[in-house]
Amino acid sequence: GDSVTQTEGPVTVSESESLIINCTYSATSIAYPNLFWYVRYPGEGLQLLLKVITAGQKGSSRGFEATYNKETTSFHLQKASVQESDSAVYYCALGGGAGNTGKLIFGLGTTLQVQP
Amino acid sequence: DTTVKQNPRYKLARVGKPVNLICSQTMNHDTMYWYQKKPNQAPKLLLFYYDKILNREADTFEKFQSSRPNNSFCSLYIGSAGLEYSAMYLCASRTGGKDTQYFGPGTRLLVL
Repeated sequence: GDSVTQTEGPVTVSESESLIINCTYSATSIAYPNLFWYVRYPGEGLQLLLKVITAGQKGSSRGFEATYNKETTSFHLQKASVQESDSAVYYCALGGGAGNTGKLIFGLGTTLQVQP
Repeated sequence: DTTVKQNPRYKLARVGKPVNLICSQTMNHDTMYWYQKKPNQAPKLLLFYYDKILNREADTFEKFQSSRPNNSFCSLYIGSAGLEYSAMYLCASRTGGKDTQYFGPGTRLLVL
């Protein structure tokens, strides 16, 4: 089936350190997967961090980057230097199914705690 | 304004009683979604409206109802709440053909 697996949290890093949150997907029923990272800051709703709809492309936002790798079915989220304000829950999501209804399949989420 | 609103933010319900959750958006989006999020689980799509057409996921087909009286509003209705319905309910919307979904803050439902 279609699924998303991501780094199990919580992940704790110190401010200015680098970060990688792994995400791999299985898209057995989706011909052209679209990949997303959503983030939920404390007290707020889920919001889109970045998206990539074409294999081989890289998306970036707020210093975060993720490359859509079709060969390894991965979409890892990286940041070179995290800030305390990056503390949040990060969700990798898969979309682009039949009819492109917009249905998203989410991973479990990874809680990131950035220590000052 | 890319805001999706949800009411109430917190809801306490008794087992066997109905529950009605409300979502609204003013972005004129044609599609509205409802997801369920339980602790230590991924958000899971329950159903969505594309314009006036309701699509429900097969495994939750009989558990949830929804209505969309106009483009801006969408409700999620539980006819008889059970303990297993305790969860965060997330509403989202998007414009057809666009990939980005905009999410509301969620309604936390606790069934006792």
